[in-house]
Amino acid sequence: IQLTQSPSLLSASVGDRVTLSCKGSQNINNYLAWYQQKLGEAPKLLIYKTNSLQTGIPSRFSGSGSGTDYTLTISSLHSEDLATYYCYQYNNGLTFGSGTKLEIK
Amino acid sequence: QVQLQQSGAELVKPGSSVKISCKASGYTFTSYDMHWIKQQPGNGLEWIGWIYPGNGNTKYNQKFNGKATLTADKSSSTAYMQLSSLTSEDSAVYFCARPAWYSGDVFDYWGQGVMVTVSS
Repeated sequence: IQLTQSPSLLSASVGDRVTLSCKGSQNINNYLAWYQQKLGEAPKLLIYKTNSLQTGIPSRFSGSGSGTDYTLTISSLHSEDLATYYCYQYNNGLTFGSGTKLEIK
Repeated sequence: QVQLQQSGAELVKPGSSVKISCKASGYTFTSYDMHWIKQQPGNGLEWIGWIYPGNGNTKYNQKFNGKATLTADKSSSTAYMQLSSLTSEDSAVYFCARPAWYSGDVFDYWGQGVMVTVSS
């Protein structure tokens, strides 16, 4: 399954509501996770099974979607959210999207 | 606490092989798969394969068959990945990652990554 993320680059201000998209080439059956990767660090799990928040992750992060279309929402952007965000499907094989780089204005 | 400590950066010549390690601590090493993920500079993430240290079973992304070999040493709780016939396309950061208890394919613990540079 191929994953297409959009946009590839997003610039937003602190406090903004931010929405990142991920589209699969086939039905993902909700086996979709989101990772955050800051520069020079390993990826960090934010969301699994479409909308389950990983322990310790702030509640401003949320996930939604079904079928082939999924979304990560940051309800109020913080400066420390500067990172690249990857979606990841584990329904059929294991594949990552190409990422959305989030910049802070 | 769970930790995955990877070996240091490698500079290797084209055509050679390299073996990198991932030492696990804070959990029962033989109870979880260990996965390996590749990240080329400026690029996204690519799953390589997994090994189950309990019995040595492995599964690979077809793309890495013949390129990567996964092994594990139960006595030292260390997983290894050997990469062979190296080319510039193998220059990347390589992560080991452990799945979450609730899903065998979602990774909640990652090593810090090993940068492998292939250059003459």
